[in-house]
Amino acid sequence: DAGVTQSPTHLIKTRGQHVTLRCSPISGHKSVSWYQQVLGQGPQFIFQYYEKEERGRGNFPDRFSARQFPNYSSELNVNALLLGDSALYLCASSFEAGNEQFFGPGTRLTVL
Amino acid sequence: SQQGEEDPQALSIQEGENATMNCSYKTSINNLQWYRQNSGRGLVHLILIRSNEREKHSGRLRVTLDTSKKSSSLLITASRAADTASYFCAAATSGTYKYIFGTGTRLKVLA
Repeated sequence: DAGVTQSPTHLIKTRGQHVTLRCSPISGHKSVSWYQQVLGQGPQFIFQYYEKEERGRGNFPDRFSARQFPNYSSELNVNALLLGDSALYLCASSFEAGNEQFFGPGTRLTVL
Repeated sequence: SQQGEEDPQALSIQEGENATMNCSYKTSINNLQWYRQNSGRGLVHLILIRSNEREKHSGRLRVTLDTSKKSSSLLITASRAADTASYFCAAATSGTYKYIFGTGTRLKVLA
C-alpha cells in the first residue's frame, strides 16, 4: 500500500509569492493534518481536516489556508511568502481523528 | 508555541545499551504518540498510547504514560546504530485532536 505522498519534494520561491503544497493520504484515511517544521525544532501544527471540514487550526497567520477534497487529498496554500516560511512542510493522515498519524516525506520550501 | 518538552535534548550511547527519553506536556490529552525522524525527513510512527493506558510495548520499544505527572517515557532496548535519529513525542490535546510536538531528543548510537 502506498503511504502518504506529498508534492513537490522541494520548492524555491521568492518573498511575496504564493505556494500550493499537495498531500495524498493513505487509502481509506479520512483525516489530514499539516505541520511546519523549522530546522532544529519539532513540527508545529497548522491545520487538521476530517471529512473535508477543518477541525483544528494552529497559531499561524491567515496567509496560511488549506482544504480537503472529496477524495480526502489536501492542499496547503501560503500567500505573501516571508523568509521565515522557509521550512519542511509535513502532511500526516489518519483513519480518523485521534488515531495513529502517518507522515509523508515532506515538502522542503525555501523562500529567498 | 510548542508545549511538549523532551529530555534529554541529546543522548549518545554505545550499541547494545538502552536509551531512555522523557517527554512532558502541559494539558489533558487523549493520547500520546512517539515518532522517529532521520536527517530532516518525514516522521516514522513508532507507538501510540492512549490516556487510559499506562504502558505499551512494541518490539524493542517500551512506552510509559503517567497522566498525573503529565509525562511519558520511551525506552529503546539493545540499541543499534540504525536507531540513530531524532525522537519526538506528540500529545493530542483533549477535545481537539490537535497534536503538540516536543522539541525532540537527538539519539546517537555508536557502533
